[in-house]
Amino acid sequence: GAVVSQHPSRVICKSGTSVKIECRSLDFQATTMFWYRQFPKRSLMLMATSNEGSKATYEQGVEKDKFLINHASLTLSTLTVTSAHPEDGSFYICSLWAVEFYGYTFGSGTRLTVV
Amino acid sequence: DAKTTQPPSMDCAEGRAANLPCNHSTISGNEYVYWYRQIHSQGPQYIIHGLKNNETNEMASLIITEDRKSSTLILPHATLRDTAVYYCIVVWWTDKLIFGTGTRLQVFP
Repeated sequence: GAVVSQHPSRVICKSGTSVKIECRSLDFQATTMFWYRQFPKRSLMLMATSNEGSKATYEQGVEKDKFLINHASLTLSTLTVTSAHPEDGSFYICSLWAVEFYGYTFGSGTRLTVV
Repeated sequence: DAKTTQPPSMDCAEGRAANLPCNHSTISGNEYVYWYRQIHSQGPQYIIHGLKNNETNEMASLIITEDRKSSTLILPHATLRDTAVYYCIVVWWTDKLIFGTGTRLQVFP
């Protein structure tokens, strides 16, 4: 399947700072990427759809100013958690859709802890 | 909201077949059935998908009923490494994946 590289795998940041998570498609040009959030022992919750060259589409209830998504190239989408607070701590996962790889491929996830 | 219903948990003995059911009674004609699994603290892993016909690959088999209102994922010889949460998702091609609660499969020795 398509290889999706997500970085960092773990990050600890201080409350009030911003954190950027990168999602790279290593072998495919992805026009669309998806960002998910997952709380412990819960299912994945779709946050937003990231479209290359245009603004991301956020799901209802997701704060656009808190979770900034940039998809500036066909191989890179970034999620920036701004002014992070402890309640923003979670497991964030990116995904891309590629017809050559049966549909959807996921990154390995980023565990964010805010202290 | 997720369009599928799965049992919250199942157990399976190592070496035996694991049969994971999924109900998707409101599936539309052009929606696919996808199965993913997630091992603890990792991103979901693709298993298999299908539209109407039964499908088989090196990981699993997917049996879709004729009316397409339900399906079963079959892991033919479960191993301890198959312990994970399994998600059945109904989705139109290229649309966003909406995850339900999944089935937590525990494979025991």
